[in-house]
This record gives sequence, C-alpha cells and structure tokens, in this order.
Amino acid sequence: KNQVEQSPQSLIILEGKNCTLQCNYTVSPFSNLRWYKQDTGRGPVSLTIMTFSENTKSNGRYTATLDADTKQSSLHITASQLSDSASYICVVSASGNTGKLIFGQGTTLQVKP
Amino acid sequence: DAGVIQSPRHEVTEMGQEVTLRCKPISGHDYLFWYRQTMMRGLELLIYFNNNVPIDDSGMPEDRFSAKMPNASFSTLKIQPSEPRDSAVYFCASSPLVLDSYLSKNGYTFGSGTRLTVV
Repeated sequence: KNQVEQSPQSLIILEGKNCTLQCNYTVSPFSNLRWYKQDTGRGPVSLTIMTFSENTKSNGRYTATLDADTKQSSLHITASQLSDSASYICVVSASGNTGKLIFGQGTTLQVKP
Repeated sequence: DAGVIQSPRHEVTEMGQEVTLRCKPISGHDYLFWYRQTMMRGLELLIYFNNNVPIDDSGMPEDRFSAKMPNASFSTLKIQPSEPRDSAVYFCASSPLVLDSYLSKNGYTFGSGTRLTVV
C-alpha cells in the first residue's frame, strides 16, 4: 500500500534554532517527492520538489534531502523564524501520468520567540 | 494571476442541508482537483478533472458527494444531504499538466480552502 509517514507529529523550537523534519514513504514506482508548507487557514504551498536522481535541494533556509534507496526524505530548516510556524506536508507522487499524490499527515511546527 | 479561487471561505450549515462549494482554477490549467483535509486523515483526494471531464472519483466518500465542472473556469463540489462528519476544509487545486517532467519542476497550486462546519 502506498503510504507516506512523517515525524514528529508536532515540534516546538525557539526562534533562531534549526530543526529537521522526517518523511518515510512506501510509494512505488516513485516519481517525485515534494515538501509543502501550509500556514493556518491557507492552502499548501510548494517548497521543494525532488525526483529520483536528486539528493538535495534548497529553497532559502529550507533544505530537503532524499534517499531513494531507503525511501526517506528530510526537511531541514535553518535559523528558524516565527513565520516558519506552520504545518509541513510531505507528498509523494507515483510514476505515470496521473494526478494522484500521496500525502503525509504533516508535521506541525511552532517557533517561539 | 489571482490563483485558484474558492468560495465561500467558511460555511456553517445544519445537518441535512445541501452544501455547494465553488472553485475557479487558474486560467489555462487543464487539471482540477478537489481535496478534503481533516485532522484525523490529513489531505485526501476526492476527485479530479481533466479538460472538464472527471477522470478519477474513487476518493469521493459516498453518493452524497458530487462534483461537476461545466466549463474550464468553474467547478462545484456538492454535498446533499450534509452530515456532521463532513466537517472539514475542502481544497481545490489546479495544474496545467500532470506529467512527471512537469511535476518535477512545478507544483500544484492550491486554493485557500473552504472550511465547512455541519452542525
């Protein structure tokens, strides 16, 4: 069964600290993996997208890694800011011309001053 | 571009009433998706359209749910009759192409969602 699992479920950190969110998936055949940021009351917004051949991709203070062998991905946030408080969702797409994405449950991050 | 536009932003209705959610995709996007998000189940795909034609509705929970896309710029998701367990945030998303090569460079664009509360 295609699944995406994220950990931790929630996380509280102090402003300026770094943190790492984890994503494990069992989607096959794998096409790409993306991380979305969802602010409260808003729709998800794409942060990064990685294909099978990409191991790391950065978007400002966000760096995503992908290990296709172990089927794991991480999202590292550097020098966190209050505006980073949001839910971070890992989404995996299977190969093929289809609109189906498999969503993780998300990690809720709270950055405190 | 105004992005994907959903209305209403919030809807509170009584059990048994009909509810209609609306979505205007980004102009030129051939694909439109309806998702439901709850705390328990996260984001779930309900149905998606390609060029106004429903392609996969396997995520629609039951016959009380129906979706239409009468033209390229408008879609509705209807619940009749509504039940308290339908309470959730319903998102619409659109995409110009659903090919792996496109998805590797771009993401879907989500609307801001409609928060539905059925009491």
